[in-house]
Amino acid sequence: GESVGLHLPTLSVQEGDNSIINCAYSNSASDYFIWYKQESGKGPQFIIDIRSNMDKRQGQRVTVLLNKTVKHLSLQIAATQPGDSAVYFCAENKGNTDKLIFGTGTRLQVFP
Amino acid sequence: GAVVSQHPSRVICKSGTSVKIECRSLDFQATTMFWYRQFPKQSLMLMATSNEGSKATYEQGVEKDKFLINHASLTLSTLTVTSAHPEDSSFYICSASGPRLDTQYFGPGTRLTVL
Repeated sequence: GESVGLHLPTLSVQEGDNSIINCAYSNSASDYFIWYKQESGKGPQFIIDIRSNMDKRQGQRVTVLLNKTVKHLSLQIAATQPGDSAVYFCAENKGNTDKLIFGTGTRLQVFP
Repeated sequence: GAVVSQHPSRVICKSGTSVKIECRSLDFQATTMFWYRQFPKQSLMLMATSNEGSKATYEQGVEKDKFLINHASLTLSTLTVTSAHPEDSSFYICSASGPRLDTQYFGPGTRLTVL
């Protein structure tokens, strides 16, 4: 299930299940979105990105869905593995700047 | 490709001293580098953006005289935390982007502890 901790919401899933991590972004002018995975004590690692002219993009075991109407982004991880345990951040970028604005993050915990 | 390194990975210093953190792009030319700070269980907060050969642009609330940024070459940017205090203890992460890259690639981060 999903719960809200002190700072980070946490999603707990069983190994092999599919995971869905959600993100609400703030700027309707944002046109590029990225999902990053951050393991403890490490920098963010690029997972997948999507531009605003698309509503779905698939990678290896991951799918990103973009709903511009409600400013919502989701990351789906198929057949979740213990190695997927990490904090996941969405980030948005507005076309006329290089800056990324990061969401609050979701901790994914995978149980055997 | 698109590998970014940081040095040191961890540093402990006394209050009042200055600490320099290096960020290098190893296999591409980074026209823009970014510095972020991350407190425990929180998200990344952008501190400043630096373009090679020009002054850094700082985000609102970030003291440019305290956090000195130099982007002297297309592969190296440095962040110097001057007169560090315990409240500066944090995880500092750099990222880099280049003309052939669509997104930012992140370094492994530097854990700064100020005693």
